Amino acid sequence: NAGVTQTPKFQVLKTGQSMTLQCAQDMNHNSMYWYRQDPGMGLRLIYYSASEGTTDKGEVPNGYNVSRLNKREFSLRLESAAPSQTSVYFCASSDQRGTRTTDTQYFGPGTRLTVL
Amino acid sequence: GDSVTQMEGPVTLSEEAFLTINCTYTATGYPSLFWYVQYPGEGLQLLLKATKADDKGSNKGFEATYRKETTSFHLEKGSVQVSDSAVYFCALSLHSSNTGKLIFGQGTTLQVKP
Repeated sequence: NAGVTQTPKFQVLKTGQSMTLQCAQDMNHNSMYWYRQDPGMGLRLIYYSASEGTTDKGEVPNGYNVSRLNKREFSLRLESAAPSQTSVYFCASSDQRGTRTTDTQYFGPGTRLTVL
Repeated sequence: GDSVTQMEGPVTLSEEAFLTINCTYTATGYPSLFWYVQYPGEGLQLLLKATKADDKGSNKGFEATYRKETTSFHLEKGSVQVSDSAVYFCALSLHSSNTGKLIFGQGTTLQVKP
């Protein structure tokens, strides 16, 4: 099992450019998440998807959009990148037992994004 | 609102020293508590967890006890190794939430010197 995979690993954009970060998991998990990690601020939730076909905003959704393409894939799009979006982005997934999502999340290796 | 506060780092220790990283939380209801570890250049991995008061989570020589009375979940290890050098994150998840969302502390960098 590859677990959670993310592409690309590194990306440099100019202000105003757009790009999509890809994430896929092979653990048959229902729930998927996108976080950003900034120095001194821990991880902050951008968007999450509790199940295929649903998405919800997290703590810092402005400037981002997401798509839950199918159960495996959850992409994050920056329509018009800004320097404030320079960060490391992590995708994660978690399982569901009955009606409740389990607490343990499995993380991808991250995408380091720089916006000039 | 719900939040997690960790001691500021970096924490620098010599090999075989005793480690404590403090974590306190504020939550409505009764959360599950976690420690995640991030090794250089990698994503986060679950280190240990505790789901109710007085539970002790343990893994790889690390331990943390869920203290409801002090709203704390401090991470300890009796003898650290150079390979323990990493960033450690304390986090909580609310039982009332059906989404599995985690709230993270800011992270504490640990550097262990030979």
